[in-house]
Amino acid sequence: QVQLQQSGPGLVKPSQTLSLTCAISGDSVSNNRASWNWIRQSPSRGLEWLGRTYYRSQWYKDYAVSVKSRITINADTSKNEFSLQLNSVTPDDTAVYYCVRDGHWGPWGQGTRVSVSS
Amino acid sequence: DVVMTQTPLSLSVTPGQPASISCKSSQSLQNTDGKTYLYWYLQRPGQPPQLLIYEGSNRFSGVPDRFSGSGSGTDYTLKISRVEAEDVGVYYCMQTPHLPITFGQGTRVEIE
Repeated sequence: QVQLQQSGPGLVKPSQTLSLTCAISGDSVSNNRASWNWIRQSPSRGLEWLGRTYYRSQWYKDYAVSVKSRITINADTSKNEFSLQLNSVTPDDTAVYYCVRDGHWGPWGQGTRVSVSS
Repeated sequence: DVVMTQTPLSLSVTPGQPASISCKSSQSLQNTDGKTYLYWYLQRPGQPPQLLIYEGSNRFSGVPDRFSGSGSGTDYTLKISRVEAEDVGVYYCMQTPHLPITFGQGTRVEIE
């Protein structure tokens, strides 16, 4: 069973970049039958899918329209992990961020509570 | 975007009694491969959502058999045959065949 371990800072200043990493065990980020997703949860937005990356002979990415101009999801095959970068953050980006693989869509990463505050 | 509507939004249940949560989608969740890409989760405070049911009706590993999922097209149901104290939390449905992936608002289950 795949296991996902998240890492990254819990506090980011407004206008800066939020960066999180999701380390994968029990699977490969290059698995050509999987996609690797980021989801966030906040009281105001509920559960919100942010985007995904997946490998099908080349890398593909899909992003939610709400964050499309600010988000990048990358895969690092040497470390077997994928990452989330969200630029120009505001307090509205304060949320718990999760990573998850498709397929069964579980289990999720443990979650990272990120606060955007000066 | 596909809108996922859960009812009720809250539920108070006596231990040992059944409970049922409905999830209606604004578009069909059945894919051309015949599968239904509807998922059910339970979220306890301070924890990530925990997968209960995948592809509409399949219990995930370790999920008690008192949980069952059913439905097709745009109408889905999660049933708990006999609620136990550990079942308290917020239940969510999620659809994946249509991007963006979307979630229901959540149903809070409490024990009476």
